[in-house]
Amino acid sequence: DIVMTQSPDSLAVSLGERATINCKSSQSVLYTSNNNNYLAWYQQKPGQPPKLLIYWASTRESGVPDRFSGSGSGTDFTLTISSLQAADVAVYYCQQYYSTPHTFGQGTKLEIK
Amino acid sequence: QVQLQESGPGLVKPSQTLSLTCTVSGGSISSGTYYWTWIRQSAGNKMEWIGRIYSSGRTNHNPSLKSRVTMSVDPSKNQFSLKLTSVTAADTAIYYCAREDNRWVLNPWGQGTLVTVSS
Repeated sequence: DIVMTQSPDSLAVSLGERATINCKSSQSVLYTSNNNNYLAWYQQKPGQPPKLLIYWASTRESGVPDRFSGSGSGTDFTLTISSLQAADVAVYYCQQYYSTPHTFGQGTKLEIK
Repeated sequence: QVQLQESGPGLVKPSQTLSLTCTVSGGSISSGTYYWTWIRQSAGNKMEWIGRIYSSGRTNHNPSLKSRVTMSVDPSKNQFSLKLTSVTAADTAIYYCAREDNRWVLNPWGQGTLVTVSS
């Protein structure tokens, strides 16, 4: 199985400041034949199911604010929130869909400082 | 807009079988090239991919659950189902169903259902 490791486990950021969450996979999730990284980011607010934010490591889902961005390739990935809003308080997960079982990171809890 | 809804018992006794159904609305379970997926979230927010089923019945499941998992699809009811046998307290979790779309990502998700394993 591909192991996904996020850092940090929790993060407190001031409103309007940048938040950065990292995700590392135990093996590459880059499919070289199409140059796509099979990596997604999800946001989960309390009492709700996860919501898709980013796929192919850097493509924003329709309707997701452009303050959210994804980057990285191979085994190292980053989710960045450029200017934190109160609505962004949530747990964020990365997930690889390169090979089954599709595995998730342990989650990063984002709070307001 | 496709929506998914999980249903099933909220309490299961140890050693028994957990059975859940996911009802799909707003679209046919047989249309498109989608996998229908089960995920669970246990204490500490640990997310675990359980497995997926195609409308044809082809499945992939997580080897960590060994042979305890059975998934099925019923196109006539627009539903797919999960059975997990020989449950223990470690199977206590919120169980989600989701559609794996043609980008291979999970979207949308059901609201989730809490299943507690306890005598």
